Amino acid sequence: GAVVSQHPSRVICKSGTSVKIECRSLDFQATTMFWYRQFPKQSLMLMATSNEGSKATYEQGVEKDKFLINHASLTLSTLTVTSAHPEDSSFYICSARLGNIQYFGAGTRLSVL
Amino acid sequence: AQSVTQLGSHVSVSEGALVLLRCNYSSSVPPYLFWYVQYPNQGLQLLLKYTTGATLVKGINGFEAEFKKSETSFHLTKPSAHMSDAAEYFCAVTGFQKLVFGTGTRLLVSP
Repeated sequence: GAVVSQHPSRVICKSGTSVKIECRSLDFQATTMFWYRQFPKQSLMLMATSNEGSKATYEQGVEKDKFLINHASLTLSTLTVTSAHPEDSSFYICSARLGNIQYFGAGTRLSVL
Repeated sequence: AQSVTQLGSHVSVSEGALVLLRCNYSSSVPPYLFWYVQYPNQGLQLLLKYTTGATLVKGINGFEAEFKKSETSFHLTKPSAHMSDAAEYFCAVTGFQKLVFGTGTRLLVSP
């Protein structure tokens, strides 16, 4: 099956710093990628839809200036958490769509101290 | 609009027993349905999918699911549970762009 790589798998940062998470489709091109956030023991919450070469579409309630998304190529989307605070600590998961199927990365555990 | 309801946040079975995880959906258009599995601190892995055609779909690791339009259901089954099946399982539906997830069911397998 299609492979999506997400990096880093875990990051710890100080409050006020910015963190970048990368999502790559390794063996296919993805015009559309998605970013999710998952709280402990909960389902995935869609944050935004990332479209190659255009602005991301954010879900209601997600701060565009806090969570910057860039989809500069057909195989790479990045999520930057700007000026991170402890409440941003969470598990972030990306996915890339191939046809009708979304393939997921392994997730990034962000801990903000 | 699409929505998914997974009955039972936790399901416990003994090793070797039948696994049944329930999923009901709502969709205003013909649905595409998916089951994903998530192991601790990992992303989601696709188990199986229904798009069109045969209503009984087989997936990886011995899992299968049956699309029943009249019941708006897409339950996941496996004849014999293994310890390695212990994980979180998510049912999902998509009509157009977005994938809508259920709240998940944690499968516990005891020896």
